[in-house]
Amino acid sequence: GAVVSQHPSWVICKSGTSVKIECRSLDFQATTMFWYRQFPKQSLMLMATSNEGSKATYEQGVEKDKFLINHASLTLSTLTVTSAHPEDSSFYICSARVTAPGTEAFFGQGTRLTVV
Amino acid sequence: QKEVEQNSGPLSVPEGAIASLNCTYSDRGSQSFFWYRQYSGKSPELIMFIYSNGDKEDGRFTAQLNRASQYISLLIRDSKLSDSATYLCAVNIGYKLSFGAGTTVTVRA
Repeated sequence: GAVVSQHPSWVICKSGTSVKIECRSLDFQATTMFWYRQFPKQSLMLMATSNEGSKATYEQGVEKDKFLINHASLTLSTLTVTSAHPEDSSFYICSARVTAPGTEAFFGQGTRLTVV
Repeated sequence: QKEVEQNSGPLSVPEGAIASLNCTYSDRGSQSFFWYRQYSGKSPELIMFIYSNGDKEDGRFTAQLNRASQYISLLIRDSKLSDSATYLCAVNIGYKLSFGAGTTVTVRA
């Protein structure tokens, strides 16, 4: 399957600081990438859809000014959690599709964010 | 109504037995369906996808799709200890994938 690389795999930051998470498609071009958040023992919740060269589409209830998404190239999307608070501590996962909608999505390794 | 409903379990089966998982979905227009496996602390990995009504087999895994009932299932035959994980069904709704809540499967020795 296609390879999606996410970095860092874990990060601990102080409350009030910002954290950037990178998601790269290594062997294919991803026009669209997706960002999910997963709390313990819960399913994946889609936060936003990242489209190369345009603004991200955020799901209802997700603060776009807090979770900044940039998709500057066909192989890289970044999620920046701004002014992080302990309640932002979660498992953040990106995914990308190889081709058009309807095909399978491949996931990055995920980033465990802990805000202290 | 949730877009994808999945029994969260947990499901415990003995080694060598069959584990049966299922989901229902709400959007009749959905075209593609997926099963992912997620180990604790890891991101999901694709097990199978199915687009056509009926059964699709891949090794010990069989995915089933019934469009009339808006129902998908996954059978794991000859369960192994390493199959212990959370299994997520996912359905394409528009441009995005919607996930079920996940079913935690424990295979006991």
